[in-house]
Amino acid sequence: GGIITQTPKFLIGQEGQKLTLKCQQNFNHDTMYWYRQDSGKGLRLIYYSITENDLQKGDLSEGYDASREKKSSFSLTVTSAQKNEMAVFLCASRTGAYAEQFFGPGTRLTVL
Amino acid sequence: GEQVEQRPPHLSVREGDSAVITCTYTDPNSYYFFWYKQEPGASLQLLMKVFSSTEINEGQGFTVLLNKKDKRLSLNLTAAHPGDSAAYFCAVRRIASSSFSKLVFGQGTSLSVVP
Repeated sequence: GGIITQTPKFLIGQEGQKLTLKCQQNFNHDTMYWYRQDSGKGLRLIYYSITENDLQKGDLSEGYDASREKKSSFSLTVTSAQKNEMAVFLCASRTGAYAEQFFGPGTRLTVL
Repeated sequence: GEQVEQRPPHLSVREGDSAVITCTYTDPNSYYFFWYKQEPGASLQLLMKVFSSTEINEGQGFTVLLNKKDKRLSLNLTAAHPGDSAAYFCAVRRIASSSFSKLVFGQGTSLSVVP
């Protein structure tokens, strides 16, 4: 088995601030994802990465940057935090093209 | 691109009753279907993975039905209990020639099972 760890669990920032969310997985999975979960809207893909140093934009990438410097870690940066992007950010990973995704516990972002 | 519509957004049932959540999808090339459960404050846990070759899949206390003709996927909790209270999400992925194809999620259903 394995686990996905997200830090921090709660992130509070000021409007306009640059904020970074971190994700670590010990599954040795190739592909990692960042999703944003808004109430009543399901999950929307922000960024994904197929392998170390690879980055691909999802449907909601504007206002975000990502970094995959190691296979086991995937970071997401909110470049300028806005009140309308308060949400839960979920990291996920999977192996193989046909496998399910495993999810981390999430980071809840609050913007003051 | 693929669109997934999940209904209902909220569902309240009595303990012992059945609960049905339905997703409809648009892409006929969809091949992999997933149901996830998210308990309050927790992350998504895989409930079942379904391939389009099988129309009925049974788990512990629930059944997943896939109607490819109508492009409809449903989750039926046969005798709900309070521990089933959670948010449920369907997700759909198409056949892909490359190693990556996006997982498209439904909007989620918040299920409440009252004693």
